[in-house]
Amino acid sequence: EIVLTQSPGTLSLSLGERATLSCRASQSLGSTSLAWYQQKPGQAPRLLIYGASSRATGIPDRFSGSGSGTDFTLTISRVEPEDFAVYYCQQYAGSQYIFGQGTKLQIK
Amino acid sequence: QVQLVQSGAEVMEPGASVKISCKASGYTFADYYIHWVRQAPGHVLEWLGYMRSSSGSARNVEKFQGRVTMTRDTSTGTAYMELTGLTSEDAAVYYCAREKPEGYNFDSWGQGTLVSVSS
Repeated sequence: EIVLTQSPGTLSLSLGERATLSCRASQSLGSTSLAWYQQKPGQAPRLLIYGASSRATGIPDRFSGSGSGTDFTLTISRVEPEDFAVYYCQQYAGSQYIFGQGTKLQIK
Repeated sequence: QVQLVQSGAEVMEPGASVKISCKASGYTFADYYIHWVRQAPGHVLEWLGYMRSSSGSARNVEKFQGRVTMTRDTSTGTAYMELTGLTSEDAAVYYCAREKPEGYNFDSWGQGTLVSVSS
């Protein structure tokens, strides 16, 4: 069974700082099916990045994704107030759709 | 615009069944898969399975085999997910989400349906 491990569990940053979120897979995976979501309290997740590095419709360009194989990264170039939320990575593997455990981005 | 609108919150007794609806609009229903994902309070997202809206064929996570049934009504563009044999561990917010075939991601989500299980 493939496991996605996200780090850190919690990331505390000030406005304007750079956020780097990691997602590591227990086995090497294709990058075409790695996605990132943002979830705010009481809301459904929102697709940010698909195919490891493509921004979804309407997503600001301060969000970027990179990586391949087992290591993937979501970067927010300059954190803005509306970016404080939980971020999940998700992968399709072995006919399953798998989510990481999430990284909480909070205000420092 | 694309919308997935789910039915309202449910309070169920242990052992009961719950059926949640997900009405799609703003796109051609048959062109996308509908997935179901749940999130227990304070927990991570858990994928339950999906249905091909065009054919109605569905596949569930083995853990839910025999307890989850996914159906759809193409005349109204509505997908349904029924979960039987509810226990306290099934208490969660249930989301429907759509996937463009072979896209491997969920580009639009319903607002969620809270299912509580209590005697």
